[in-house]
Amino acid sequence: DTEVTQTPKHLVMGMTNKKSLKCEQHMGHRAMYWYKQKAKKPPELMFVYSYEKLSINESVPSRFSPECPNSSLLNLHLHALQPEDSALYLCASSQIGSYEQYFGPGTRLTVT
Amino acid sequence: AQSVTQLDSHVSVSEGTPVLLRCNYSSSYSPSLFWYVQHPNKGLQLLLKYTSAATLVKGINGFEAEFKKSETSFHLTKPSAHMSDAAEYFCVVSLSGYSTLTFGKGTMLLVSP
Repeated sequence: DTEVTQTPKHLVMGMTNKKSLKCEQHMGHRAMYWYKQKAKKPPELMFVYSYEKLSINESVPSRFSPECPNSSLLNLHLHALQPEDSALYLCASSQIGSYEQYFGPGTRLTVT
Repeated sequence: AQSVTQLDSHVSVSEGTPVLLRCNYSSSYSPSLFWYVQHPNKGLQLLLKYTSAATLVKGINGFEAEFKKSETSFHLTKPSAHMSDAAEYFCVVSLSGYSTLTFGKGTMLLVSP
């Protein structure tokens, strides 16, 4: 299984809502990543987890809260988002120290 | 520091003609280089990778790329474009020993019948 899955595919939320994005992989990868991608731009790294511990936080606002409950799951909790947070959120995974990342299909988030 | 420059924001070709997407990199150390493809509203798919083995790298769907250290280039080519190749292509560099990626700004490949 070389697949990274993400749910939901689409999410519309108001600025006062709380929602979560979910990412799952069963490749035994111990590094997992969240990226944000705006239209016609490359992905921007948000967070990196290594061995279920947060290792990189690219100065992301606290309204984004990542969580890695186990080696297969990665969540991104969203609260009090702004319209400019509307984007495609991509999850990826890799072996520790590997340059080859496997990406999920993404969650298209719209904040109204 | 490392960086990637994709020289064309858009490339237009006709179906059946060759494809060339250009990428130059800057890295103080031995880089690993990748090309990813992203179809509309989809995630990224790895096309091919260079990690200091053979300089000519073959990938999926008939794509290949050549690592040229003297020119600091890693251009992506395909002999004959297909309509399904229309997508955004990202050239990506990673420093040896680190798993974070630096993306180029992307090249949109347009294929006309």
